[in-house]
Amino acid sequence: GAVVSQHPSWVICKSGTSVKIECRSLDFQATTMFWYRQFPKQSLMLMATSNEGSKATYEQGVEKDKFLINHASLTLSTLTVTSAHPEDSSFYICSADSGTGYRETQYFGPGTRLLVL
Amino acid sequence: RKEVEQDPGPFNVPEGATVAFNCTYSNSASQSFFWYRQDCRKEPKLLMSVYSSGNEDGRFTAQLNRASQYISLLIRDSKLSDSATYLCVVNGGGGADGLTFGKGTHLIIQP
Repeated sequence: GAVVSQHPSWVICKSGTSVKIECRSLDFQATTMFWYRQFPKQSLMLMATSNEGSKATYEQGVEKDKFLINHASLTLSTLTVTSAHPEDSSFYICSADSGTGYRETQYFGPGTRLLVL
Repeated sequence: RKEVEQDPGPFNVPEGATVAFNCTYSNSASQSFFWYRQDCRKEPKLLMSVYSSGNEDGRFTAQLNRASQYISLLIRDSKLSDSATYLCVVNGGGGADGLTFGKGTHLIIQP
């Protein structure tokens, strides 16, 4: 199946710093990528939909100025957590839509664990 | 009301037994339905899609009841490697949409 990578796989940072997470589709072009967040014992929650060459669409309650998304190419989307705080500590997962027209063609990256001290 | 609801479990089941999970969803306009499997500290992986006519993949059988907005997953002859969290997932709109995940049902297969 298609491969989606994320980098870094885990990061520990001090409160107030910014953290950038990359999501890459390795063997296909992804017009649309999605960013999810999962807190312990909770479900994955969609944060935003990232479309190549246009502004991301954020879900209700997700601050667009805090979670900056850039989808500059068909194979790369980045999520930057600005001025991270301990409550931002979570498991961030991206997925990419291969655009074949079938709904199940969303491929997930391995996730990034963020711990803000 | 939560969009996708599941019994969190855990379900402790002996190896070889049959186990069933259920899930309900609130958005009647939902069009696509899936079961994902998530292992501890890993990303979710697609287990199977769920079709209105019901579908089977080896030991796994999925069913959808649109009238009741209810989805089920049946695992026969359970293996130790089936231990994981099973996520009920719904996709609601047209085009490329983000998925709505349930909290998951934790399954533990015991030897």
